[in-house]
This record gives sequence, structure tokens and C-alpha cells, in this order.
Amino acid sequence: DQQVKQNSPSLSVQEGRISILNCDYTNSMFDYFLWYKKYPAEGPTFLISISSIKDKNEDGRFTVFLNKSAKHLSLHIVPSQPGDSAVYFCAASDSNAGNMLTFGGGTRLMVKP
Amino acid sequence: KAGVTQTPRYLIKTRGQQVTLSCSPISGHRSVSWYQQTPGQGLQFLFEYFSETQRNKGNFPGRFSGRQFSNSRSEMNVSTLELGDSALYLCASSLAGLGTEAFFGQGTRLTVV
Repeated sequence: DQQVKQNSPSLSVQEGRISILNCDYTNSMFDYFLWYKKYPAEGPTFLISISSIKDKNEDGRFTVFLNKSAKHLSLHIVPSQPGDSAVYFCAASDSNAGNMLTFGGGTRLMVKP
Repeated sequence: KAGVTQTPRYLIKTRGQQVTLSCSPISGHRSVSWYQQTPGQGLQFLFEYFSETQRNKGNFPGRFSGRQFSNSRSEMNVSTLELGDSALYLCASSLAGLGTEAFFGQGTRLTVV
């Protein structure tokens, strides 16, 4: 039973345009969400997070939106750069239960110059 | 500030052997979690330690175990290795509070032959 899903395995975007990565979850106990960027054979790099008390969080070119009623979150990258090409994972946790993260399957983003 | 350090980076073991992996968290972080990444199963939570106590455990057999020391450093052990244990093992550290960002190490690539 996949509690966190990223339905798009890959996404291709032109440099300078917006990249939108999506994530859905089923567990209503999740109240903290994170996005990570990952290169092969390396550990994930933390990008941005959002608590369920908010519906938007921005950090530079990265913005995360949370729609609790739809159990959906998205990561917007504007403008996209070739260096953003990587696999992006969303993760969710129930903050009352510790720091255990449940990950989605990842979306491979390719930003073309 | 030093990041999360995992040793060794690469390891080759034979079926039936046991292995110990080490993780030094970011200074001041008291929560350490372990994850397994495989192509088929993605990123899966193994366990979380906080103040030398296991706080959460994922759905892995008892061959997988861990511990945390008083300086927050953590080790995980896999006994009676199987071919399917070949994976990238990742350690993440977090501040003491619940629902905080987790920062990952570079991982240990374990190959079981």
C-alpha cells in the first residue's frame, strides 16, 4: 500500500520555464512534507518542507504548495536550470510519531538547455 | 558545519556474512534514521533512534538491527546477508524535535555476492 505516490516517473522541461512536480498521499495522519533532490549513488539533498498548518512555502526558486483536502502537494521550480536535472522525491511524516519519512517513488526531472 | 558522515562508502560481502555500517550525524542532531534504497522498492525506512532508544521501526526482518551511542553516532547491522540486501543504505539526522528536516549522508553502497 503506497501511502505517498509520485505518478509521473519523468518530466522534461525547457531551461527558464517552470517545472511542476506532483505528489499525492493517502495517510491523513501525515502533517509534515518534504522535497528532496537526488543524484545516483548519493544521498538525497533537502530542498524545502511544509507543515500542514500552511498551504505554501517558498525558498528562492522553489515553492511547495499543499492542498490538504485533496491530499496533494506540488513543487514548483522557477526558473528551471539545467543543474536542476535530477530525481526528486517527496516525503511525508506524522510529526507526532517521530521523524520517520515515507517516500514517493521519485520523478526524474530533465531540464533542457 | 560538517554534514552527515557514513562509513564505509562501498562494501562487498558474501551471502551469509554480517555487516556493520556507521553513521555520524550533524553536530547537535540527536535523531538518526536509516533507509534502504533499491531499484525495485525505492527508499524505505528501516528504523529511527533518538537518545539511544529506537523510536520507530520499519517493516524489515529481525536480521536488520541498529543502535545509537551517547554521542548520537549510530550503527546498523545486517546479519546473515542475502543477495536481496544489496542496496544503498542511507542515514539521516534531524534535530531533537519531531517534524524537522532530515539531512542525509552520502550512503553506503552494499553489494552482496
